[in-house]
Amino acid sequence: GNSVTQMEGPVTLSEEAFLTINCTYTATGYPSLFWYVQYPGEGLQLLLKATKADDKGSNKGFEATYRKETTSFHLEKGSVQVSDSAVYFCALSDGNNRLAFGKGNQVVVIP
Amino acid sequence: DAGVIQSPRHEVTEMGQEVTLRCKPISGHNSLFWYRQTMMRGLELLIYFNNNVPIDDSGMPEDRFSAKMPNASFSTLKIQPSEPRDSAVYFCASSLRRGVNTEAFFGQGTRLTVV
Repeated sequence: GNSVTQMEGPVTLSEEAFLTINCTYTATGYPSLFWYVQYPGEGLQLLLKATKADDKGSNKGFEATYRKETTSFHLEKGSVQVSDSAVYFCALSDGNNRLAFGKGNQVVVIP
Repeated sequence: DAGVIQSPRHEVTEMGQEVTLRCKPISGHNSLFWYRQTMMRGLELLIYFNNNVPIDDSGMPEDRFSAKMPNASFSTLKIQPSEPRDSAVYFCASSLRRGVNTEAFFGQGTRLTVV
């Protein structure tokens, strides 16, 4: 079945540091890939998406490229801010628009 | 649009009681999803409706759980009887199904505590 794997554990870094969160997936066919962000006490919000191989999704300084050859969709941001502290989820969508989520990564940005 | 609206935001109940969670999807959306979020299991899809019809309920953990969507603007998730292990945050999400590029919009969730 479809599944998403995110790197283990929280990520703690200083303001203006470079952020990478790894995401790999297993899927049949050609899924769409998403990154969602969850701020404390809130629901998930779409951060960015990519719908086919080599597409790059970007938003608010975050980027991720759909890599079919490595089945990956790693999230990156060049300079994080304290306001980026949140939980980040990688997800894929199957042909029925059902989302399969990774476990999420807590990101803590220290001033 | 106000987005996906869930109620209540918080629910504390005693074991054995019936619990009903409510969701109003975004107007015009034709797909609705119920998810459960726990520290141990992360986000799990419980059930998925398309045009008010349940398409996949394989994620519903037990017969104690049931979900309905009587019309396009309302859905409920019921737990009867509730148990402490049902404590979690329950999210409702909706989307407009058109191809495979659609994003899901999430409500703010209902935090359920069963004591």
